[in-house]
Amino acid sequence: GAVVSQHPSRVICKSGTSVKIECRSLDFQATTMFWYRQFPKQSLMLMATSNEGSKATYEQGVEKDKFLINHASLTLSTLTVTSAHPEDSSFYICSAPGTGRYEQYFGPGTRLTVT
Amino acid sequence: ELKVEQNPLFLSMQEGKNYTIYCNYSTTSDRLYWYRQDPGKSLESLFVLLSNGAVKQEGRLMASLDTKARLSTLHITAAVHDLSATYFCAVDGDKIIFGKGTRLHILP
Repeated sequence: GAVVSQHPSRVICKSGTSVKIECRSLDFQATTMFWYRQFPKQSLMLMATSNEGSKATYEQGVEKDKFLINHASLTLSTLTVTSAHPEDSSFYICSAPGTGRYEQYFGPGTRLTVT
Repeated sequence: ELKVEQNPLFLSMQEGKNYTIYCNYSTTSDRLYWYRQDPGKSLESLFVLLSNGAVKQEGRLMASLDTKARLSTLHITAAVHDLSATYFCAVDGDKIIFGKGTRLHILP
């Protein structure tokens, strides 16, 4: 089946620094990708929809200037957490719809810890 | 606004028992997903339900969809410890919205 990868799988950074997370579709093209955030013992919350060739669509309450999304190609979307703070520590998961659009393929997630 | 409600949120059960997780959603949709998540891991796709009356089964898990009632169920038959995980339903409107998840703990 289709595979979505994320890099890095884990990252620890200091407060005030920026962190980039990559999401790649490995054997299919994705004009749209989704970014989710999951706090411990909670559900996945959609942060934004990444669109290849155009601006990302952010969900209400998600700061565009803090969570920068770039969909550079049909197989790559990046999420940059700028000026990270401890409250940004979370599990970030991306997904991409399959070619039939009925399936969603999820990446393995990136665990961000901000100290 | 699409809302997805799951219940129960936590379920502890004995091996060998049967149980059902319920997923209600608020607006019309014809795509409903069930996922499994193990601690520290991402999501594993279990079922995609696309039409009213759809029923899918894999091993001890069976999922069904009633679009008129806006209800999906995930039924567990003769539970085994390996099924311990968190189960999410998710509904696809113009974007996929997740329920809060059901933490399933199966006691040996």
